[in-house]
Formats: sequence, structure tokens, C-alpha cells
Amino acid sequence: DAGVIQSPRHEVTEMGQEVTLRCKPISGHDYLFWYRQTMMRGLELLIYFNNNVPIDDSGMPEDRFSAKMPNASFSTLKIQPSEPRDSAVYFCASSHRTVLAKNIQYFGAGTRLSVL
Amino acid sequence: GQQVMQIPQYQHVQEGEDFTTYCNSSTTLSNIQWYKQRPGGHPVFLIQLVKSGEVKKQKRLTFQFGEAKKNSSLHITATQTTDVGTYFCAGQGRDDKIIFGKGTRLHILP
Repeated sequence: DAGVIQSPRHEVTEMGQEVTLRCKPISGHDYLFWYRQTMMRGLELLIYFNNNVPIDDSGMPEDRFSAKMPNASFSTLKIQPSEPRDSAVYFCASSHRTVLAKNIQYFGAGTRLSVL
Repeated sequence: GQQVMQIPQYQHVQEGEDFTTYCNSSTTLSNIQWYKQRPGGHPVFLIQLVKSGEVKKQKRLTFQFGEAKKNSSLHITATQTTDVGTYFCAGQGRDDKIIFGKGTRLHILP
């Protein structure tokens, strides 16, 4: 398996523009997580899905952020409108919960977002 | 809500010295996981601890889970330059949510 695939790897945009980040989880994984990483806040959980259904979005900063998972192999995180403080590395991770391997997370390479 | 605190935030050690990072949760955990993130990379799973008092080893790395399942530690013996990176603990409570600590950034001085 190719692992978790995120695109784009880098995104530079101007304040006010819409940004869409994409993630393809590992095939067979039933959990998908979106994280944001900054120096100040560390690794923050934004939202996670189980079987394509959003379970907890309490980490989503505000209404400008939205996430969807239309099917088991694809998820998007959208920021509209983007602001400079949204600049961060956004990671997607997927997992498959079993009795032994309780939600061990496999991370994608991340999308480095810069909002000017 | 559940919080996971990790200390120290940064650690500089001479190559060959030992290193330890500590993780404390505000609530009892069902399991704790450790991840390593190399500079410019993404977090990579190292190990999972489930049982109270559990100790696991991976070569020079020793992981412990506290008896109360609220704290954990990672100890590296005789650090090498390949150990450079940020080490995260991640605690899972009763639900599926996993809360990451802020990580300990390890620098190795040659």
C-alpha cells in the first residue's frame, strides 16, 4: 500500500482565498483524522471520521473550516476564507481499530499551507 | 476535557548520553502510543502500551506505562544522531479520540 496520500504538499495562497486540502487514506482503514501542526500549538486534532461519518469536530477552529468524507477513499479539508493565522502543516492520518491495535495512526506527509 | 502534558519541551544531549521524556494525562487512559517525527517529516508510530505497568523495549528505547495508566515515559539509552526529532505521546481515553502531547524535541550534540 502507498500509505496515506495528501495533496498538495505545499500550498501558498493569499488571504481570503479558498483552500482545499485532500487526503486518501490507507485502503481498509475505517478512521480518518485531520490534524494541524504549528510551533505554538503543537499537533491539534481538528476532526475525525469513522466509516465516513464525522464523529468529533470539536477541534475545528471556526466556521471557516469544513471537512467532508464522501467515500471511504477520499476526504477534504476546506478553509474559506483563508487567513494568515491558518498557516500551518496539515496532516491527515488513518487507522483501523482492532482489539490489539487500538487506533494506531498512519500519517500522510502533510500539506504545508502558507497564507499571505 | 482530556489533556496530555509532555515534558520537557526541548532537550539537548551530547551524543552517547541518555534521554527521557515524560507524559502525563489528566484522565485514565485505555492505551498510550508513542510517535517520532523527524525534522521536516511526519509522525511515525513507534509503540503502543495498553496494560498497567507495562514496559516495552525497542533496541535502545524503553517505554513505560504507569500503574494508574495516567503517565508514561520514553527513555533512550546512549543517544545517536539518528535519534534526532520530536517524540510525541498520544493518549486514548474511552472513546476513539487520541490526544497528542506537544512533544519533546531532541537535539543531539556531536
